[in-house]
Amino acid sequence: GAGVSQSPSNKVTEKGKDVELRCDPISGHTALYWYRQSLGQGLEFLIYFQGNSAPDKSGLPSDRFSAERTGGSVSTLTIQRTQQEDSAVYLCASSWGWEVAKNIQYFGAGTRLSVL
Amino acid sequence: AQSVTQLDSQVPVFEEAPVELRCNYSSSVSVYLFWYVQYPNQGLQLLLKYLSGSTLVESINGFEAEFNKSQTSFHLRKPSVHISDTAEYFCAVSERGTYKYIFGTGTRLKVLA
Repeated sequence: GAGVSQSPSNKVTEKGKDVELRCDPISGHTALYWYRQSLGQGLEFLIYFQGNSAPDKSGLPSDRFSAERTGGSVSTLTIQRTQQEDSAVYLCASSWGWEVAKNIQYFGAGTRLSVL
Repeated sequence: AQSVTQLDSQVPVFEEAPVELRCNYSSSVSVYLFWYVQYPNQGLQLLLKYLSGSTLVESINGFEAEFNKSQTSFHLRKPSVHISDTAEYFCAVSERGTYKYIFGTGTRLKVLA
């Protein structure tokens, strides 16, 4: 596609439910990133995929969070047993390669998650 | 560990006035520096970046930022803002040879008519 696509754009869920957030990166981009944007907190790195390599999951805040990337393209971020503190905007980005100096990260518009 | 501080959470400014958005960073190693802009309901877009060389970098829409190593700053400036510059601006650093950004908390620029 022309840009990074995320769906849904907004998600309202009840505490304790599971949610899945989808990211469709720019075609051909091998690197994919998930970030969380909380009010007043800036962007927090969550997870990074690069080709077929093992993902860097060091930013995931708890074991309720997981992500996968199928076929080197679409990625899904899953949050199990959602809590109110999970409410945030979840941003996905993709790039041709991994080093930031040489590869611009292109961001999607995000999914705004509200946990009631 | 690296960190980025954007002291101003909101900056209101009148149209055609100059603006400066402040960014200070902390790092024990060499870093790359970036400014991203987020327009309402859109993703972040790269505005400009400092990798090496000239400490003054410019964007295509009139913004500029200057890397000041001694003050560990990378402030963003524009001599005359437009209504269309209303957006949130994020400063970010990245350690050389890595893929991770460390972002600041953002500054919301509101340009008033």
